[in-house]
Amino acid sequence: KAGVTQTPRYLIKTRGQQVTLSCSPISGHRSVSWYQQTPGQGLQFLFEYFSETQRNKGNFPGRFSGRQFSNSRSEMNVSTLELGDSALYLCASSLGEGSGQPQHFGDGTRLSIL
Amino acid sequence: SQQGEEDPQALSIQEGENATMNCSYKTSINNLQWYRQNSGRGLVHLILIRSNEREKHSGRLRVTLDTSKKSSSLLITASRAADTASYFCATDRGFQKLVFGTGTRLLVSP
Repeated sequence: KAGVTQTPRYLIKTRGQQVTLSCSPISGHRSVSWYQQTPGQGLQFLFEYFSETQRNKGNFPGRFSGRQFSNSRSEMNVSTLELGDSALYLCASSLGEGSGQPQHFGDGTRLSIL
Repeated sequence: SQQGEEDPQALSIQEGENATMNCSYKTSINNLQWYRQNSGRGLVHLILIRSNEREKHSGRLRVTLDTSKKSSSLLITASRAADTASYFCATDRGFQKLVFGTGTRLLVSP
């Protein structure tokens, strides 16, 4: 079974631009979560989607948004990019929603803002 | 914000030795999970321990959970060079997805 696939792996943008990251979960997994990883703040939860609905949201500004499609694939969008948005963005999928679900992570998209 | 603090921040050992990493957290939890991250890669799920469990084993891994002290430990026995990675604990409180600790960087030298 193929793992979680994130595209692109690397991305370079400039301040003020916007970016869209893509995540394809493991086949059959319906929950997709997004995390931001930086050296200073560590791993922080962005949001979770299940059945095309946002179930949970972390403490990030409205510039960060996402969506999930009927095939469970998910996209994350960041608008008006800032230097501090440089990070590794990780997507994780799980079979269902709720507590006690091991997360299966992709290798991430490394976003660099110039 | 990060729920967990991990100790030590870095650990360097020889192959064959045991490695112990500790995680402390702040609030009540439903379960606690441990993950491994190799440099530049995503996280790999290692083990999940529920709040009503005290100890769990998986191969060379042993995890303990003490909810009264709000702490957990991960023991890797007979370490191998391939175990070199960062290890994170993550707490699950049920209403928000995983809240990760700060991580322990483990270096296992041949």
